[in-house]
Amino acid sequence: EIVLTQSPTTIAASPGEKVTITCRASSSVSYMYWYQQKPGASPKPWIYDTSKLASGVPNRFSGSGSGTSYSLTINTMETEDAATYYCQQWSSTPLTFGSGTKLEIK
Amino acid sequence: QVQLKESGPGLVQPSQTLSLTCTVSGFSLMDYSVHWVRQPPGKGLEWMGRMKYDGDTYYNSALKSRLSISRDTSKSQVFLKMNSLQTEDTAIYYCTTRGGYNPFAYWGQGTLVTVSS
Repeated sequence: EIVLTQSPTTIAASPGEKVTITCRASSSVSYMYWYQQKPGASPKPWIYDTSKLASGVPNRFSGSGSGTSYSLTINTMETEDAATYYCQQWSSTPLTFGSGTKLEIK
Repeated sequence: QVQLKESGPGLVQPSQTLSLTCTVSGFSLMDYSVHWVRQPPGKGLEWMGRMKYDGDTYYNSALKSRLSISRDTSKSQVFLKMNSLQTEDTAIYYCTTRGGYNPFAYWGQGTLVTVSS
């Protein structure tokens, strides 16, 4: 099973600040997927195939990485970006998720 | 449009069996796989298993001995059954399917299952 380790667990950012969330895989994966989840809501697809933004995702978000190291970056934090973000791989089964990074507004 | 909706009992007693239904619309179960994902309150996401479009199933090995996923294509429904429930199985249970290149593009609203006597 591929274990995904996200860091940080929690982060607080001010509006306009740049934010980076990291996801490290225990073995190499081909692509990374990211989901955004707000309290009381189902997860939403956010980034797919490592760097492609899902429909409706603002272009201040970006994704990058390869092998065992991936990241999600917000160029300029906005209040609506406060949420928990999960990385996910399906290069091998079982599909696994990271433990999540809670992003708060400072 | 694509929709998924989970249904089932909100409360299950310890050691009993959980039965959930995912009713889908906007696509055929013979064209797209449906996965089950759960989330304990305040915790992260766990992939449970999938019903593939061709009828094949695959389970998370951590749950495999207790889990069964089946479907009724005529009713556009996917079923989850898990036995020997314990309190740690308390979670929101989601069904989800892919869209385009997104493996989990569409999600149901989730259904909270509490395991308690």
